Amino acid sequence: AQSVTQLGSHVSVSEGALVLLRCNYSSSVPPYLFWYVQYPNQGLQLLLKYTTGATLVKGINGFEAEFKKSETSFHLTKPSAHMSDAAEYFCAVSDGQGAQKLVFGQGTRLTINP
Amino acid sequence: ETGVTQSPTHLIKTRGQQVTLRCSSQSGHNTVSWYQQALGQGPQFIFQYYREEENGRGNFPPRFSGLQFPNYSSELNVNALELDDSALYLCASSPAGTRRETQYFGPGTRLLVL
Repeated sequence: AQSVTQLGSHVSVSEGALVLLRCNYSSSVPPYLFWYVQYPNQGLQLLLKYTTGATLVKGINGFEAEFKKSETSFHLTKPSAHMSDAAEYFCAVSDGQGAQKLVFGQGTRLTINP
Repeated sequence: ETGVTQSPTHLIKTRGQQVTLRCSSQSGHNTVSWYQQALGQGPQFIFQYYREEENGRGNFPPRFSGLQFPNYSSELNVNALELDDSALYLCASSPAGTRRETQYFGPGTRLLVL
């Protein structure tokens, strides 16, 4: 079975500061990894994904994430936070097989301070 | 290109009733997955439909059922509603072919069971 742990249910940073949202996964097969963002009262928007190949993945809105197999991690970063980044962020894993269902973490709420 | 759409946006039902939620997949996508997101939680996989057949199911009871139509739109039906069924229900579609692992989400239907 696969699982995702997001460390920190709530992260608060100042505008212009580094954003770091942590995600650790468990998977018995090579994982596919995803980060989604959810704005209030909306669905999920894909930020970026890792399937195979380059372990540093760049996404939309200046976000990037690095797949580290040895640490079973897929942390999300952004060099400089913007007020519009305030949202809920979800890390998800799939096994890339069959239904390829997504298993999500509990989410991290990102707050940006002016 | 039209994204994933869901209807209705909000719904209020009473315990024991039945509900049908609808989803139109993104153009060119032949796979639809449904997720339940309880308040403050990450989404949980309910089931997936591929070419009108169920293609995987999560840990949900049989009173959760679905359909996929020839145009790849989908319905989620829930019978004998319980208070714990109150949640945001998310539909996601995936493209055919090699990019099937990526799921694109609709805005969701928020269901309240009283």
